[in-house]
Amino acid sequence: AQSVTQLGSHVSVSEGALVLLRCNYSSSVPPYLFWYVQYPNQGLQLLLKYTTGATLVKGINGFEAEFKKSETSFHLTKPSAHMSDAAEYFCAVNYSGYSTLTFGKGTMLLVSP
Amino acid sequence: DAMVIQNPRYQVTQFGKPVTLSCSQTLNHNVMYWYQQKSSQAPKLLFHYYDKDFNNEADTPDNFQSRRPNTSFCFLDIRSPGLGDAAMYLCATSRVGTPPGNEQFFGPGTRLTVL
Repeated sequence: AQSVTQLGSHVSVSEGALVLLRCNYSSSVPPYLFWYVQYPNQGLQLLLKYTTGATLVKGINGFEAEFKKSETSFHLTKPSAHMSDAAEYFCAVNYSGYSTLTFGKGTMLLVSP
Repeated sequence: DAMVIQNPRYQVTQFGKPVTLSCSQTLNHNVMYWYQQKSSQAPKLLFHYYDKDFNNEADTPDNFQSRRPNTSFCFLDIRSPGLGDAAMYLCATSRVGTPPGNEQFFGPGTRLTVL
């Protein structure tokens, strides 16, 4: 069985500050990991994903995440927050072959001027 | 552009009145998913089709049904909507195998209101 834990249902940062959203996973097999973003009244948009290879993954809108197997983590970061980054962020996991996604509960990112 | 389309974007129905939500895709993906998402919660998978094979989640109420008449279209039928079924309904697609990871592509969602 696999699971995802996102620490913090809400994270507040100031514009220009570092963004750090935490995600830890549990999986009995090598995982595939995803970060999705959701703006109000919209669907989910893929930010980035880790499948194999380089553990530091760069995504859209300046976000990146690092897969750390020893820590079972896949934290999302962005060096400098922008007002337009305010949204809900979901971490998700599946694994090789055909499998559905398991989502974390989400983290709402609030950006203040 | 290839995409996932959901219609309507907003749907209002009455308690107990059947409603159908529609999803179409131009990505030629072999898997289509339906999720229910309530306010400030993660999407909850209701069911999915792998080609023509229907896969129902164990805790999906019988009130929810789905049809996939062809590769491009998938429908969600709610036979007798209750107040608790008011939610955002998300359709997603993926192509199993390539690229690795079974990445899902989401539509914009349909916001269902039950009066």
